Amino acid sequence: AQSVSQHNHHVILSEAASLELGCNYSYGGTVNLFWYVQYPGQHLQLLLKYFSGDPLVKGIKGFEAEFIKSKFSFNLRKPSVQWSDTAEYFCAVNKNNAGNMLTFGGGTRLMVKP
Amino acid sequence: DTGVSQDPRHKITKRGQNVTFRCDPISEHNRLYWYRQTLGQGPEFLTYFQNEAQLEKSRLLSDRFSAERPKGSFSTLEIQRTEQGDSAMYLCASSLPSYGYTFGSGTRLTVV
Repeated sequence: AQSVSQHNHHVILSEAASLELGCNYSYGGTVNLFWYVQYPGQHLQLLLKYFSGDPLVKGIKGFEAEFIKSKFSFNLRKPSVQWSDTAEYFCAVNKNNAGNMLTFGGGTRLMVKP
Repeated sequence: DTGVSQDPRHKITKRGQNVTFRCDPISEHNRLYWYRQTLGQGPEFLTYFQNEAQLEKSRLLSDRFSAERPKGSFSTLEIQRTEQGDSAMYLCASSLPSYGYTFGSGTRLTVV
């Protein structure tokens, strides 16, 4: 069965530190990849997505992610975090042509200290 | 508001009662999804509609759960004979093909 692993469950950073959140998936075929963010008290929002093309994807709020097919990974990065980035981050994978059903990772809770 | 709307936001029910949740997707989105999220976990897929057709159901979805999207617009999710294990956030999302989802704020169900 397809699975998505987010290795860091909790991350604490100071403002201006660099961020990298890991995401690995187990499915070997063609996939679409997503990162979603959930700010405290708010609904899930799409940060960025990869369908094809340039494996380095830029999203909103200065986030980017790199698809490395050989490593089955789609890690999320931001060079300098802000206090407002405090949130829970979810990686999600969709098998191509699988009706857009997403399999989510367990999430990473990020706290940025001012 | 042109986002995905879910009603109610919160529902507390006694074990054994039936509950029904509603989702109004973004009007031009033909795909609609229901997910369930428990504390500390990512959302888990429950079911998916394309227009009014229910195309996929998770094996997690017991026969106490049923979902409909009668006219290809809003959808309802009903849980019959609720159990304490059904307590969770129930999320609805909608999309166009090949686009990311837009999620609603969810319905938090507490079964006491």
